[in-house]
Amino acid sequence: GGIITQTPKFLIGQEGQKLTLKCQQNFNHDTMYWYRQDSGKGLRLIYYSITENDLQKGDLSEGYDASREKKSSFSLTVTSAQKNEMAVFLCASRLGSQNTLYFGAGTRLSVL
Amino acid sequence: GDSVTQTEGLVTLTEGLPVMLNCTYQTIYSNPFLFWYVQHLNESPRLLLKSFTDNKRTEHQGFHATLHKSSSSFHLQKSSAQLSDSALYYCALSAGMGYKLTFGTGTSLLVDP
Repeated sequence: GGIITQTPKFLIGQEGQKLTLKCQQNFNHDTMYWYRQDSGKGLRLIYYSITENDLQKGDLSEGYDASREKKSSFSLTVTSAQKNEMAVFLCASRLGSQNTLYFGAGTRLSVL
Repeated sequence: GDSVTQTEGLVTLTEGLPVMLNCTYQTIYSNPFLFWYVQHLNESPRLLLKSFTDNKRTEHQGFHATLHKSSSSFHLQKSSAQLSDSALYYCALSAGMGYKLTFGTGTSLLVDP
């Protein structure tokens, strides 16, 4: 088995601040994802990466950057935090396409 | 682009009654791969079941679903709800190259004693 580790678990930021979320997986999976979870809006795809150094924009990429410098890690940057923003960011990975997606425990973001 | 529709935001029912959660999808590709994920309180989503075969029933942990390409549907069903089934259920779609996985807005299932 494997595990996906997201850091930090809780992130409190200031309006306009640049914030970085990190994700590590030891499944040796090729494909990694960042989703944003908001109540009533489901899981919305921000960025995904098919392999190391690849980046693909999802439906919610505006306001975010991502980086996949190693196969095992995928980071997400909120380029300018929005006041009163609250959401959970979930990292996930899977082997290739059409296989099971495994999720990390999430990073909870609050912006003051 | 691809989309998934889950019409019910909240389903409340009594233990022992049947469960049906609706899921329809849209894609231009002819090879959709459909998934149901379940998320219990304070946990991450995990796979419940998946299918890419038209008109074939797939089952797991008492739940079942059948992909119907003719109606673009993949409804989740269970014959008898249990208290432990209370959770958030997401329908999801992969199509085309399959790397992009699109989720619906989720249905919260609340089972009362």
